[in-house]
Amino acid sequence: RKEVEQDPGPFNVPEGATVAFNCTYSNSASQSFFWYRQDCRKEPKLLMSVYSSGNEDGRFTAQLNRASQYISLLIRDSKLSDSATYLCVVNRPGNQFYFGTGTSLTVIP
Amino acid sequence: EPEVTQTPSHQVTQMGQEVILRCVPISNHLYFYWYRQILGQKVEFLVSFYNNEISEKSEIFDDQFSVERPDGSNFTLKIRSTKLEDSAMYFCASSDRLAVQGEQYFGPGTRLTVT
Repeated sequence: RKEVEQDPGPFNVPEGATVAFNCTYSNSASQSFFWYRQDCRKEPKLLMSVYSSGNEDGRFTAQLNRASQYISLLIRDSKLSDSATYLCVVNRPGNQFYFGTGTSLTVIP
Repeated sequence: EPEVTQTPSHQVTQMGQEVILRCVPISNHLYFYWYRQILGQKVEFLVSFYNNEISEKSEIFDDQFSVERPDGSNFTLKIRSTKLEDSAMYFCASSDRLAVQGEQYFGPGTRLTVT
């Protein structure tokens, strides 16, 4: 089983829509969780950390369900600039990260 | 805003040649990482480095690879004898805390093409 699994999409949504991405991880000992975004041929950029209680940053909300080993990202009021690939990233015990394959989002005018 | 820098942006090399990819992490960061991303595939962890030694490495990071922090600012990845399958984007990242606690910041990457 892969360390981190994501639906690759693509998700094509109109501007203003709400879209949700899901991610599952296999190692129950994983300790830290993040969402990164990656634009085409660019480096991953941190979008937000994911905390156990859930957290929000403007239009973005992240949730963590440790029992189900599941992470989600909700984007409200989608903007054209949100078009990117969203990467779910999980830290296993130890100093390394595991990346999902990413979910592609295109926001359509 | 401080950022991670990498040079060169693109490196073309012949199979069997040695390459050195260079990174300058954010100045107050203590933890350094190399990742690779083959075109169209996911980002893969290669190695983490702290206190002048490797703290973790993946199965990809075999004897052909080595890392070094030759001075107070640079962090390098060396591939001793490149293979065609080493063609990828290589990202350096740094963090001020252990991965379990802190976010990583990525450089813009070096695109390595092995011919």
